[in-house]
Amino acid sequence: QKEVEQNSGPLSVPEGAIASLNCTYSDRGSQSFFWYRQYSGKSPELIMSIYSNGDKEDGRFTAQLNKASQYVSLLIRDSQPSDSATYLCAVVVNNNDMRFGAGTRLTVKP
Amino acid sequence: NAGVTQTPKFQVLKTGQSMTLQCAQDMNHNSMYWYRQDPGMGLRLIYYSASEGTTDKGEVPNGYNVSRLNKREFSLRLESAAPSQTSVYFCASSELARGQETQYFGPGTRLLVL
Repeated sequence: QKEVEQNSGPLSVPEGAIASLNCTYSDRGSQSFFWYRQYSGKSPELIMSIYSNGDKEDGRFTAQLNKASQYVSLLIRDSQPSDSATYLCAVVVNNNDMRFGAGTRLTVKP
Repeated sequence: NAGVTQTPKFQVLKTGQSMTLQCAQDMNHNSMYWYRQDPGMGLRLIYYSASEGTTDKGEVPNGYNVSRLNKREFSLRLESAAPSQTSVYFCASSELARGQETQYFGPGTRLLVL
């Protein structure tokens, strides 16, 4: 079992819809969770971090964490074509050791 | 601030050749990282350095060495390149602020080993 698992997609949503991206992780001791966005040919950029169970909102983005279920998700409201990218879920397993999922490719259709 | 810079942007090597990938950050971060990214596999940590003078192995360290030259610079060396090391390499640095750690990535180095 991979340490961090995501559906590879592609996930396609119409403009204005809610995009829901999911991630599960295997290390129950993990405390820090991140969502990165990566445009094709570019480097990852941090969108959200979450450390506590529940929801964390930042603009159109909401991260949700459920440590009991070892599940973290990212919701993108009012999706825009500019949101089309690969979204990487990352989990810190030991101090500085961050493990990434393979990413979910999102396409927002105008 | 330039953030995290990497050189070179692209490199083609023959099997057995050596090279060093350079990374520098101007954000005064203590921690620095080297990742590789392969299609369908996400980012995998090669080595990291929690502070100047320290380095630790990550998930896939075999075939690589690193040097934390000073607080700004963290280099990755391939002593004898193999085709399996064809990948995109990202350097990152991080800060710990208000109990939360944020990693910032460089633009990447695309390496092809023939």
